[in-house]
Amino acid sequence: QVQLQESGPGLVKPSEALSLTCSVSGYSISSGHYWGWIRQSPGKGLEWIAIIHYSGTTHYNPSLRSRVTISVDTSKNQLSLRLASVTAADTAVYYCARDHAYGVTTYVDVWGKGTTVTVSS
Amino acid sequence: QSVLTQPPSVSGAPGQRVTISCTGSYSNIGAGYDVHWYQQLPGTAPKLLIYGNSYRPSGVPDRFSGSKSGTSASLAISGLQAEDEADYYCQSYDTSLKVFGGGTKLTVL
Repeated sequence: QVQLQESGPGLVKPSEALSLTCSVSGYSISSGHYWGWIRQSPGKGLEWIAIIHYSGTTHYNPSLRSRVTISVDTSKNQLSLRLASVTAADTAVYYCARDHAYGVTTYVDVWGKGTTVTVSS
Repeated sequence: QSVLTQPPSVSGAPGQRVTISCTGSYSNIGAGYDVHWYQQLPGTAPKLLIYGNSYRPSGVPDRFSGSKSGTSASLAISGLQAEDEADYYCQSYDTSLKVFGGGTKLTVL
């Protein structure tokens, strides 16, 4: 059974960088699929952040692209997210996700439980 | 404002059938991109409900069905049950980038 577990600081100061890690168990990242991050602000809907293929191909949400870096560490079977220059608007639950390719789209077939990140001084 | 438009809320009594619409445009659903649906129960992560417009993953009851036509898609839930009370999100692609609908809160009366 594939499981995703997010980890990282629950509190980040404004203007600093947010770094999250997702540990994958039950499946090897290098076996395939896309891997990504999605967030949900309090009381709001889902916002796609970025996805990466194990080969290194990346796709970013244009609205966040200038501040986001997504990467994979196949040796640790982990996925990482870095979001620079955070503001209160970045306060959200951040989900790690496995994307399944379907035609020219992907859908999330495995979700992490999510980790809450609050941006505040 | 989401690229894919969903009604903020829908409601129905137990046993009834409800539908949730997901309206897009010619740059996303109308361009032929498939639509996928997720269910998010209170306080939990979303769960895949429908993929490829109308296919149910293993374990999803056949009370849930999806369809797509033109620039829109729909999720139908028949035989409503109290446990169906949740938020529902559609997802597709727009010019090769993933997009979500704004979500619909389903209330079972």
